Amino acid sequence: AQSVTQLGSHVSVSEGALVLLRCNYSSSVPPYLFWYVQYPNQGLQLLLKYTSAATLVKGINGFEAEFKKSETSFHLTKPSAHMSDAAEYFCAVSDGFTGANSKLTFGKGITLSVRP
Amino acid sequence: SAVISQKPSRDICQRGTSLTIQCQVDSQVTMMFWYRQQPGQSLTLIATANQGSEATYESGFVIDKFPISRPNLTFSTLTVSNMSPEDSSIYLCSANRAGTEAFFGQGTRLTVV
Repeated sequence: AQSVTQLGSHVSVSEGALVLLRCNYSSSVPPYLFWYVQYPNQGLQLLLKYTSAATLVKGINGFEAEFKKSETSFHLTKPSAHMSDAAEYFCAVSDGFTGANSKLTFGKGITLSVRP
Repeated sequence: SAVISQKPSRDICQRGTSLTIQCQVDSQVTMMFWYRQQPGQSLTLIATANQGSEATYESGFVIDKFPISRPNLTFSTLTVSNMSPEDSSIYLCSANRAGTEAFFGQGTRLTVV
């Protein structure tokens, strides 16, 4: 069985500050890991994904995440927060991209607030 | 990635009634899934919509409450039956092709009164 842990429900940073959103996973097979963002009243948009290639993954809007197998982590970072980054962020895990393996298990999500 | 259109985008329904949510993808996909996002919560998988056969439900979800259809490779429906206020949630459709990540519709925001 898979699981995702996102500690804390809310992170607040100042505009221009570093963003760090934590994600730890549990999986019995090599995981596929994802970060999705959800803006108010919208669906989910993929930020980035890890699929067993490079451990440092770059995504859209300046976000990146590093897969650390020894720590079972996939933390999301952005060097400088922008007001438009305020949203809810979900970490998710799957077994792959094929058939039933592609179903996602989500963490609880973290709400990011950006202060002017 | 392809585009998913979900209808309705939101609805307010009376308890005891049913609502059918439609999910249309603009190109053929392999897998289609339905998720529920309860207020302040994360997304929980309801079921996998299988083309031409019965859906595969996750633990805690049953066909009588959440009947699902998938008549072809681009379309699926989820019905929320005999609704109660506890069914108030956002329902999201997602899809993916083999070898690619899942993408999501905008969701249906359901309020049961």
